[in-house]
Amino acid sequence: EDQVTQSPEALRLQEGESSSLNCSYTVSGLRGLFWYRQDPGKGPEFLFTLYSAGEEKEKERLKATLTKKESFLHITAPKPEDSATYLCAVQGQGGSEKLVFGKGTKLTVNP
Amino acid sequence: NAGVTQTPKFQVLKTGQSMTLQCAQDMNHEYMSWYRQDPGMGLRLIHYSVGAGITDQGEVPNGYNVSRSTTEDFPLRLLSAAPSQTSVYFCASSYSASQPQHFGDGTRLSIL
Repeated sequence: EDQVTQSPEALRLQEGESSSLNCSYTVSGLRGLFWYRQDPGKGPEFLFTLYSAGEEKEKERLKATLTKKESFLHITAPKPEDSATYLCAVQGQGGSEKLVFGKGTKLTVNP
Repeated sequence: NAGVTQTPKFQVLKTGQSMTLQCAQDMNHEYMSWYRQDPGMGLRLIHYSVGAGITDQGEVPNGYNVSRSTTEDFPLRLLSAAPSQTSVYFCASSYSASQPQHFGDGTRLSIL
């Protein structure tokens, strides 16, 4: 059974204080790993897809990396508008199209 | 471009009532799915569809029914509402199952 564990559950940063969010996964062959951002009262918004170990993707202050067992979302010099819940999801190659989501990391960036 | 539109945004039901949550997308996406989001549980897949006329069960399908008669619409039916179905429901769509999904803004459902 595919599983995703995100840590920490919550993270408070000061503006400009860089940090990383972790997504550990177990899957029977990775088809893709997805990062989403979710603001309160809204649906998740797509950020990145990673397909193979060693792959990296960047968008503004965010950088996602992937190994065979985990993914990191690095946040460089965050701003208050980066405050949100960040969700990680995996899709395996076991014949199913299903996405399995982690419980998310709630990030708060204080000015 | 409206993207994924869910209606209603809020709904209160009594136990035993039935209702349909509507989901429509205007991106010509083949893959559509329904999730529920509960505190401390994350997003869980209820049902999904890889194209018109084709649906399949997700992780938590009991108590829910779906159909896909057109590419654009994917309604979710609660057959006999129970308090355990109180949740936020999200509909999502994508070109294919392996592509990033676009989510609607959710329906907040309370069952008394």
